[in-house]
Amino acid sequence: AQKVTQAQTEISVVEKEDVTLDCVYETRDTTYYLFWYKQPPSGELVFLIRRNSFDEQNEISGRYSWNFQKSTSSFNFTITASQVVDSAVYFCAFLITQGGSEKLVFGKGTKLTVNP
Amino acid sequence: DGGITQSPKYLFRKEGQNVTLSCEQNLNHDAMYWYRQDPGQGLRLIYYSQIVNDFQKGDIAEGYSVSREKKESFPLTVTSAQKNPTAFYLCASSMGVNTEAFFGQGTRLTVV
Repeated sequence: AQKVTQAQTEISVVEKEDVTLDCVYETRDTTYYLFWYKQPPSGELVFLIRRNSFDEQNEISGRYSWNFQKSTSSFNFTITASQVVDSAVYFCAFLITQGGSEKLVFGKGTKLTVNP
Repeated sequence: DGGITQSPKYLFRKEGQNVTLSCEQNLNHDAMYWYRQDPGQGLRLIYYSQIVNDFQKGDIAEGYSVSREKKESFPLTVTSAQKNPTAFYLCASSMGVNTEAFFGQGTRLTVV
C-alpha cells in the first residue's frame, strides 16, 4: 500500500523555538513525488514544496527546511525560529499514479501551535 | 487573478436534500479534485478528473456525484445518499503529470 504517516497529531512550541514535523511514507515505486502543504485557520491549503524521489538534496527556504531521506522513507519539515504566524495544520502528501490517473494522498496532518 | 474559486463558503441544508458545491478555476489546469476534510481525518479524496468529460471515483465517492463538462468547472453534488455530509470540502486543480495541486478556500457544509 502506498501511504503517508504523520505520527505527530499536535505540537505546541513557544515562539523562536525550532520545530520538526515528521512524515514517513510507504511505496514500492522507484519514482514518486512528495509534498508539504500548510493549512492556516482560514482553511485553504497552501503549497510549500514538492520533492521527487531522485532528488535527495535538502531544501531550504527562509526559515523552512526539508530533509528527504530515502533510506528511512522520511520527508521531514523543520521550521527554524518559529513564529506565531506559523500556527497551522501541516500536511504531508504523496502522489500516486493509478490506472493512468494521478491523485494526491494526504497524511492526517500535524497541528502546530506557536505560542507567544 | 488566477486561482480556484469555491462557492459558497458556508452552506446549510436540510437532511435529505441534494446540494451542489461549485468549483471554478482559471489556471488552465487539466486535472481537478474534490476532497473532504473531517476533524482529525486529514483530507480524503472524493472524485478527481484528469480531462474534460472524464472523472474517477476516489476513496469515498459513495453519496457524491460530479460532472466535468468544462475544463474550468468541476461541481460536486452531495446527494441524500451521503450518510454524514457535514464536513469541510476542498476543491483543487493541477496541471497534471507529477505537479502540485492548488486549492480553493473550501466550502463548509452543514446539514441539519
